[in-house]
Amino acid sequence: QKEVEQNSGPLSVPEGAIASLNCTYSDRGSQSFFWYRQYSGKSPELIMSIYSNGDKEDGRFTAQLNKASQYVSLLIRDSQPSDSATYLCAVNREGGGADGLTFGKGTHLIIQP
Amino acid sequence: NAGVTQTPKFQVLKTGQSMTLQCAQDMNHNSMYWYRQDPGMGLRLIYYSASEGTTDKGEVPNGYNVSRLNKREFSLRLESAAPSQTSVYFCASRGKAYNEQFFGPGTRLTVL
Repeated sequence: QKEVEQNSGPLSVPEGAIASLNCTYSDRGSQSFFWYRQYSGKSPELIMSIYSNGDKEDGRFTAQLNKASQYVSLLIRDSQPSDSATYLCAVNREGGGADGLTFGKGTHLIIQP
Repeated sequence: NAGVTQTPKFQVLKTGQSMTLQCAQDMNHNSMYWYRQDPGMGLRLIYYSASEGTTDKGEVPNGYNVSRLNKREFSLRLESAAPSQTSVYFCASRGKAYNEQFFGPGTRLTVL
């Protein structure tokens, strides 16, 4: 059974600080990795994708991937109250095929003003 | 460009009733997906369609059927609804870049 694990939180971070969200996955054959943001009552919104080891930066967001450790992380710099949401880590089920993603259960992030 | 749309937004059924959830995308994507999201369980894949004319089971297919009507539309049918199918249902389509998936707004279904 392929699994994606996340700490459910809540993770509380002061406004302006760096929020660090972590995810581990069990399938060594996984090749693509995603972070989704989900506000309460809304649908998941893709915010970052990463496919190779190292860091990928987009604005205030940085995704980090370490395939040897089977670990993906998301850093949010200069956290804002609007970043308060549940963050879902997702991993492709097979090697880049058309079948679906495996999701973690999400980390609830709270940015305190 | 509406992206992925779903109807209805909300639905209440009685046990044993049937219904079809509709999904459409206007991004010319080949692959489409149905997920359900339950508290404490995360998002789980029900069925997917890699291309027009093909469908495959996901992690939790029991009690559901799907139809890929054309490239744009992918419907999910509950033939005899059960309380265990109370959930939020999301449709998604897959972009051209690897496995990036884009979600519709969801259907909140309650089965009494």
